[in-house]
Amino acid sequence: SQKIEQNSEALNIQEGKTATLTCNYTNYSPAYLQWYRQDPGRGPVFLLLIRENEKEKRKERLKVTFDTTLKQSLFHITASQPADSATYLCALTSSNTGKLIFGQGTTLQVKP
Amino acid sequence: EAGVAQSPRYKIIEKRQSVAFWCNPISGHATLYWYQQILGQGPKLLIQFQNNGVVDDSQLPKDRFSAERLKGVDSTLKIQPAKLEDSAVYLCASSWPGQARYEQYFGPGTRLTVT
Repeated sequence: SQKIEQNSEALNIQEGKTATLTCNYTNYSPAYLQWYRQDPGRGPVFLLLIRENEKEKRKERLKVTFDTTLKQSLFHITASQPADSATYLCALTSSNTGKLIFGQGTTLQVKP
Repeated sequence: EAGVAQSPRYKIIEKRQSVAFWCNPISGHATLYWYQQILGQGPKLLIQFQNNGVVDDSQLPKDRFSAERLKGVDSTLKIQPAKLEDSAVYLCASSWPGQARYEQYFGPGTRLTVT
């Protein structure tokens, strides 16, 4: 069956460092991969989308890579700030209907 | 631009009772999604509407859950009767077309506690 795995343990890093979050998937061939941020008590907020034929995408301090051979996406936040502390969700879709399949999320804590 | 609106924000009911959630998507968005998010997990799609029609309800427990989207705008999700395992946050999302290359906009969710 399809499976999407993100680091279940919280990631704790120091302010200014680069945070790297991992999203692995099996038994799936996604056409698109999206990353969302979720703060406590709020709905997810879209951050970045990357297509299967793209290797890398950047937006300000964010960078996403997508390796369809390894079946893995990496999400980087450079020069991290305490305000970046949140849960980050990866989501995949292979259909044209927009149906997203989410990972369980990784909680990032950036310490000042 | 106003975001996705949901109500109520919180609801506590006893098992076997019924409950309804309301969602108003972003104006002009044709596609509306209902997700269930259990604590510690990612959102799971329950049902997807394209305008008035259902696109995907494969993971909707149809013996107890129902949803409708009248006039292609607002939507209501109902649970009847509720079970303890229905305790979760119910998220509504919308997007312009329901296609994979478009991001989804989420509402704040309704936190349901079934006792």
